[in-house]
Amino acid sequence: QSVLTQPPSASGTPGQRVTISCSGSTSNIGNNNVDWYRQLPRTAPNLLIYTNHQRPSGVPDRFSGSKSGTSASLAISGLQSEDEAEYYCAAWDDSLSAYVFGTGTKVTVL
Amino acid sequence: EVKLVESGGGLVQPGGSLRVSCAASGFPFRLYGMNWVRQAPGKALEWVSYISSLGSSIKYADSVKGRFTVSRDDGDNSLHLQMNSLRDEDTALYYCVRDPYQDGGPYYFDYWGRGTLVSVSS
Repeated sequence: QSVLTQPPSASGTPGQRVTISCSGSTSNIGNNNVDWYRQLPRTAPNLLIYTNHQRPSGVPDRFSGSKSGTSASLAISGLQSEDEAEYYCAAWDDSLSAYVFGTGTKVTVL
Repeated sequence: EVKLVESGGGLVQPGGSLRVSCAASGFPFRLYGMNWVRQAPGKALEWVSYISSLGSSIKYADSVKGRFTVSRDDGDNSLHLQMNSLRDEDTALYYCVRDPYQDGGPYYFDYWGRGTLVSVSS
């Protein structure tokens, strides 16, 4: 059972904005940076957002990350069909001394 | 181009051992920390282990501590995970993953391999 909780699913129509939440605690999100990964069907994950809101080169600015207290969120604006994927938040947990992933959110484009 | 290619996965009985490896290319391997991340079928990602540049710092998830050993060979740009006392719950796709810095990690994972499948079953 992960210490980072995400909604199991989220959906939207093309062009809409979708937001995914990630709820943690002071031992992880509250005191450490949050990262986001995207896993397209049947492929390896890739880095989407690091250090709360930074985008690696090549990731479009439609993707944005934010953090407040012990929660974080990923926003996808201008939703596209190729955004259908599983999305994971992650952070270092001081109590567990481990890098922990969230439970994952499957995004569906209607 | 950064490439991480895992190998060594397979079917093993509970209590058995297996060694998976990762061949790295396209970047100065010795200057980066490395990790193993796994994903059981239909499940979320799980961080397994981290090793810093030069191997001076090593960390494990509690679920594998005492059973798995991570190592690296900077001479041939390879990362290894020796897995002993394997359990059914170790069945997963094991990914070789790069950390963006030399030491102090894991920070986040900027490059991923395609994974090698380890199945533990009698």
